[in-house]
Amino acid sequence: ETGVTQTPRHLVMGMTNKKSLKCEQHLGHNAMYWYKQSAKKPLELMFVYNFKEQTENNSVPSRFSPECPNSSHLFLHLHTLQPEDSALYLCASSQVIGGGLNEQYFGPGTRLTVT
Amino acid sequence: AQTVTQSQPEMSVQEAETVTLSCTYDTSESNYYLFWYKQPPSRQMILVIRQEAYKQQNATENRFSVNFQKAAKSFSLKISDSQLGDTAMYFCAFMRDFGNEKLTFGTGTRLTIIP
Repeated sequence: ETGVTQTPRHLVMGMTNKKSLKCEQHLGHNAMYWYKQSAKKPLELMFVYNFKEQTENNSVPSRFSPECPNSSHLFLHLHTLQPEDSALYLCASSQVIGGGLNEQYFGPGTRLTVT
Repeated sequence: AQTVTQSQPEMSVQEAETVTLSCTYDTSESNYYLFWYKQPPSRQMILVIRQEAYKQQNATENRFSVNFQKAAKSFSLKISDSQLGDTAMYFCAFMRDFGNEKLTFGTGTRLTIIP
């Protein structure tokens, strides 16, 4: 596997279900991100982890719970979601260093449908 | 807060022609970075080109070039000799400065290259 991978690629869940999205980066990066992509809306940054520590929570509802056990893996735990949470969830990673520009590399996304 | 505006939801152009996608942004920062990302249908988002605000010279990457007008806060993308593989969603994005890993995206332009 190369780059940033995400599983599953598609997920359909009911509002009472609990599921998790997984992201893995194979680039040796130390920062990881969750974004939400909804139709006709800008990508929304949800969470940022630098060196496994959460550095950004962009006012995300508590029904979304991130977990970063190490710098290569990122999870998004989902519970009691709402239909408006249906979207493409993108994971990204980058190498955070002092100075210089750090390109973010994106995964293919998980298409989530909440019924 | 920064905002990014892409005023062209959809565009189409004949293969081999040149197309320009527009992007404007609003910020009070003096140093920042601008990006164009490409998201092909059902494929991963990839970085096309980036521009550092302190550089006056416009960035170029093969057939892709930008017209960066800092005073006007404009950052357009020109694709020359367009190819069928250029069909994708194109997102303009803003990053305040290095060390701040937050990307602010526009709503995107869906570009279709017609054979």
